[in-house]
Amino acid sequence: DAGVTQSPTHLIKTRGQQVTLRCSPKSGHDTVSWYQQALGQGPQFIFQYYEEEERQRGNFPDRFSGHQFPNYSSELNVNALLLGDSALYLCASSFGQPRYGYTFGSGTRLTVV
Amino acid sequence: AQKITQTQPGMFVQEKEAVTLDCTYDTSDPSYGLFWYKQPSSGEMIFLIYQGSYDQQNATEGRYSLNFQKARKSANLVISASQLGDSAMYFCAMREGYILTGGGNKLTFGTGTQLKVEL
Repeated sequence: DAGVTQSPTHLIKTRGQQVTLRCSPKSGHDTVSWYQQALGQGPQFIFQYYEEEERQRGNFPDRFSGHQFPNYSSELNVNALLLGDSALYLCASSFGQPRYGYTFGSGTRLTVV
Repeated sequence: AQKITQTQPGMFVQEKEAVTLDCTYDTSDPSYGLFWYKQPSSGEMIFLIYQGSYDQQNATEGRYSLNFQKARKSANLVISASQLGDSAMYFCAMREGYILTGGGNKLTFGTGTQLKVEL
């Protein structure tokens, strides 16, 4: 049973560019959340998608946007990249009321130069 | 105020010994859940254990147990019989409230504790 799959694993972008990160949730999961983890920090919640709609959003600017597709996969888009956007971006999927946790992917390491 | 506080940036433990990783939390919501995740150098967050605010007993999962002291708002992780493979970053996280439909709420993470298991 495949877990959460994220692509690409690593990415280098130039300041001002735009980037799209992708996530396929674990089979059977219908909710996808995105987190940003800066070096040496805990993950910070960006937003959560359920039924193709953004249901909850963290304290991130509008440069961060997302989408969820009918097959539950999701994309995270970041526009006008800043050096400070360099981080590990984690996707987590879940189903129903996840008493036993959210399943995370291995993340996409984004470096902005 | 920090919602999740982990005061130990780094910990060392001898193989086969037990170790306790500290976590305190802050919430006014009566319904919440506490999670511990392990993050090896590969980056993936691995779920270890969960404690619900209404759970009467402390959670246990194999070598992992959660010392839940509700009045003190602490949820310490205890790893028994440490193994070399336990060396990783450990994060405490909290989910406040829950949504009746869909996948639940966001997780708020602490800053983590780097655990190193030595021979």
